[in-house]
Amino acid sequence: AQKITQTQPGMFVQEKEAVTLDCTYDTSDPSYGLFWYKQPSSGEMIFLIYQGSYDQQNATEGRYSLNFQKARKSANLVISASQLGDSAMYFCAMRANNNDMRFGAGTRLTVKP
Amino acid sequence: GAVVSQHPSRVICKSGTSVKIECRSLDFQATTMFWYRQFPKQSLMLMATSNEGSKATYEQGVEKDKFLINHASLTLSTLTVTSAHPEDSSFYICSALRGPGTEAFFGQGTRLTVV
Repeated sequence: AQKITQTQPGMFVQEKEAVTLDCTYDTSDPSYGLFWYKQPSSGEMIFLIYQGSYDQQNATEGRYSLNFQKARKSANLVISASQLGDSAMYFCAMRANNNDMRFGAGTRLTVKP
Repeated sequence: GAVVSQHPSRVICKSGTSVKIECRSLDFQATTMFWYRQFPKQSLMLMATSNEGSKATYEQGVEKDKFLINHASLTLSTLTVTSAHPEDSSFYICSALRGPGTEAFFGQGTRLTVV
């Protein structure tokens, strides 16, 4: 069975600083994908970044980077140079061979001016 | 990126009636579509996985007869909440896969209120 854990219900960060959102996972499948989505108050799910289990390098997309530590089964999201518009819910998700995508509990990020 | 359109975005219905929610992939053929339910301040809970032309696979605890899913074509999946009750009020959101190993594209979500 797949399990995604986000242990930070809420996080605060000062504008222009970096923040790390934690995510750990558990799966017995050797091949899987890890995703991060942003959900603003409107409810839409915005795809941020993807990391494949066989990728050798950490994924990066603009201000987003994924700190992938396979042995520890962690896939933390790092947001650099935080902006006020980054305030939202952030969900870590995993998809394994069965193609189901399952989500962690989420972390509410608040960027302070 | 690919576009998934979900309709309606909001719906209010009377208790006992049925509500149909549509999820369309506008610019790609979706091999698989997922339906999620999200309560306020909670995560997305997978309800069912639907593959075109076959019966949906429901998660444990999700009533198949209450939440009818039809994936009639590669671009359309529908979720029908039958005999809705106030406890069915929630945010329902669909996602679609273009193919294995690809990211999932989400619809805008539907906020259902049963009165």
